[in-house]
Amino acid sequence: GAVVSQHPSWVICKSGTSVKIECRSLDFQATTMFWYRQFPKQSLMLMATSNEGSKATYEQGVEKDKFLINHASLTLSTLTVTSAHPEDSSFYICSARDPEGTYNEQFFGPGTRLTVL
Amino acid sequence: RKEVEQDPGPFNVPEGATVAFNCTYSNSASQSFFWYRQDCRKEPKLLMSVYSSGNEDGRFTAQLNRASQYISLLIRDSKLSDSATYLCVVDGNTGKLIFGQGTTLQVKP
Repeated sequence: GAVVSQHPSWVICKSGTSVKIECRSLDFQATTMFWYRQFPKQSLMLMATSNEGSKATYEQGVEKDKFLINHASLTLSTLTVTSAHPEDSSFYICSARDPEGTYNEQFFGPGTRLTVL
Repeated sequence: RKEVEQDPGPFNVPEGATVAFNCTYSNSASQSFFWYRQDCRKEPKLLMSVYSSGNEDGRFTAQLNRASQYISLLIRDSKLSDSATYLCVVDGNTGKLIFGQGTTLQVKP
């Protein structure tokens, strides 16, 4: 099956710093990647849809200036949490759709656990 | 009303039991339906897609009722390794996936 990697797997940072998370599709080219956030005991919430070569589409309530998304190639999308604060602590997960695969099936990265002190 | 609703559980069952999870969705235009499994502190992994005719994969059977906007997952002969959270997932148009809160299953020896 399609493989998606994420880096780093966990990060602890001080309040006010910026954190970059990378999402890569390893064995397929993904024109579309998705970024989710999951708080404890809650469901995955879609933050934004990342399209290669164009601006990301953000979900309602997600600040685009705080969560910067770049999808510069068909295999890499990055999410930068700018000026992180404790309330941004969460599990961030990316996914990618394999254009050769089943319609709407998404493959998930292993997630990045962010803790902001 | 949530777009995808699930009973969060937990469901505590003995090994070998049969357990069923239900899910309802609000968007009648949805076309794709999935069950994902998520282990603690891990990413979701696709368990199975759900088709209108119903489908089975080993001990797992998924059913879809479009008229009632209802999806089910049946697990037979539960194993300890089945302990996880099961996420009902529905497409929300334009390729987005909408996740339910998840149903937690704990299989005990």
